[in-house]
Amino acid sequence: SQTIHQWPATLVQPVGSPLSLECTVEGTSNPNLYWYRQAAGRGLQLLFYSVGIGQISSEVPQNLSASRPQDRQFILSSKKLLLSDSGFYLCASRGRYWDYGYTFGSGTRLTVV
Amino acid sequence: TQLLEQSPQFLSIQEGENLTVYCNSSSVFSSLQWYRQEPGEGPVLLVTVVTGGEVKKLKRLTFQFGDARKDSSLHITAAQPGDTGLYLCADGSSNTGKLIFGQGTTLQVKP
Repeated sequence: SQTIHQWPATLVQPVGSPLSLECTVEGTSNPNLYWYRQAAGRGLQLLFYSVGIGQISSEVPQNLSASRPQDRQFILSSKKLLLSDSGFYLCASRGRYWDYGYTFGSGTRLTVV
Repeated sequence: TQLLEQSPQFLSIQEGENLTVYCNSSSVFSSLQWYRQEPGEGPVLLVTVVTGGEVKKLKRLTFQFGDARKDSSLHITAAQPGDTGLYLCADGSSNTGKLIFGQGTTLQVKP
């Protein structure tokens, strides 16, 4: 089974500072990888997804970017954070069999102050 | 753009009561997945349904997929405090690999 490591768990950053959130996956190869953002108590908004190394699809225009330098590594970045970037960020992986569902990391709570 | 609507948005009940939450899509589901999320954690998959009219049971949870594959319900029998959480429905496309979520139903079960 897949395991997703996501860090840090909590992050407080000033407006205008850079951001780097990292996600690594164990237990599978060549997964689809995803970054979601979640407002408190609400559904998940898909930000980026990747079907392979160096392949990134953006779902919404925003202040964030994503990169996939290795097969099981997915990074979410920003050059300058905005207050509106605050939220709960989740990394997810989908293995070969889509009906097995997605495996999620435990998330990063980002507060921009 | 597909929209998933979940109702109710919030539900607070006493332990032992039964409840049903709903998920409706603006278009036919590719595949429907239900997840449960606890505060500060990522969602965890409960079930995947694909076939219209399909019914799946997971202990006290019963999942039903509408015949037209545009709606689904989750019924919990004799709810327990451990059932507390955010219940999310999602549509997954096997082609694109994208998973689109509803806004969720927050369930609170009081002891």
